Amino acid sequence: NAGVTQTPKFQVLKTGQSMTLQCAQDMNHEYMSWYRQDPGMGLRLIHYSVGAGITDQGEVPNGYNVSRSTTEDFPLRLLSAAPSQTSVYFCASSYAATGQSGYTFGSGTRLTVV
Amino acid sequence: GQSLEQPSEVTAVEGAIVQMNCTYQTSGFYGLSWYQQHDGGAPTFLSYNALDGLEETGRFSSFLSRSDSYGYLLLQELQMKDSASYFCAVRGQAGTALIFGKGTTLSVSS
Repeated sequence: NAGVTQTPKFQVLKTGQSMTLQCAQDMNHEYMSWYRQDPGMGLRLIHYSVGAGITDQGEVPNGYNVSRSTTEDFPLRLLSAAPSQTSVYFCASSYAATGQSGYTFGSGTRLTVV
Repeated sequence: GQSLEQPSEVTAVEGAIVQMNCTYQTSGFYGLSWYQQHDGGAPTFLSYNALDGLEETGRFSSFLSRSDSYGYLLLQELQMKDSASYFCAVRGQAGTALIFGKGTTLSVSS
C-alpha cells in the first residue's frame, strides 16, 4: 500500500525556474489537495480537486497551477519560482467529501528557492 | 471565508491530561477534524466530529459544540511521544477542501 507518493522529497530551485511537484495516490480517492506549510502558519490550501478534470483554487493559489487528468495524479506546477515559495509542500487525498474518513498526506516536498 | 483559532503552545507532564481548543468561523459547517504532526513528518488524521458531543478513541477524545463554533482535543495519560503539533480543520462549504488552523504545539516533559 503506497498511499500518497510525492516526488521529489527535496528540491532547490533558482528564482525564475519552473518545476512540477508530483503527487500520486493508489487508493482511488476522488478528493486531492495541495498545501504549503511555513513556520507558524499551519497548512495553507493552494489548490484542490474533487475529481478528474475538476480543480479549484484554495487560499494561496497565486504562482501555482494544477491539473487533474486522472484520478491517481495531481501535479502542482510552479510557473516562475520565487523565494517566497520556499516551503514544505504536502499533497493529500481523501475518500469522502465531508472529511469523515480523514485526509491521507504524502511525506512532503521540501522546496528551497534561491 | 473560514478561519480557525488555536493556542500556539501547550506544555504538560507525562501522565497528565491536556485539552487543546479550537474556535472557528465558517459560512457553512461540514465537520471539525483533528490532525497530529510530528516534527519533520506528515500530518495524520486523528478524529472527526460532525455532531455536538464527545468522540472517544483510546487516549484521544474530541468534542464539538456547533452553537459555540468551538471544539477541543483531549489527550489523556500523556506520553513523551505525544509531543507534536495538533491542527484543527473545517470544511465550510460542500465540495471544498479542508482549511486548517495554525496548530498547537504540545510539549510533554518527564
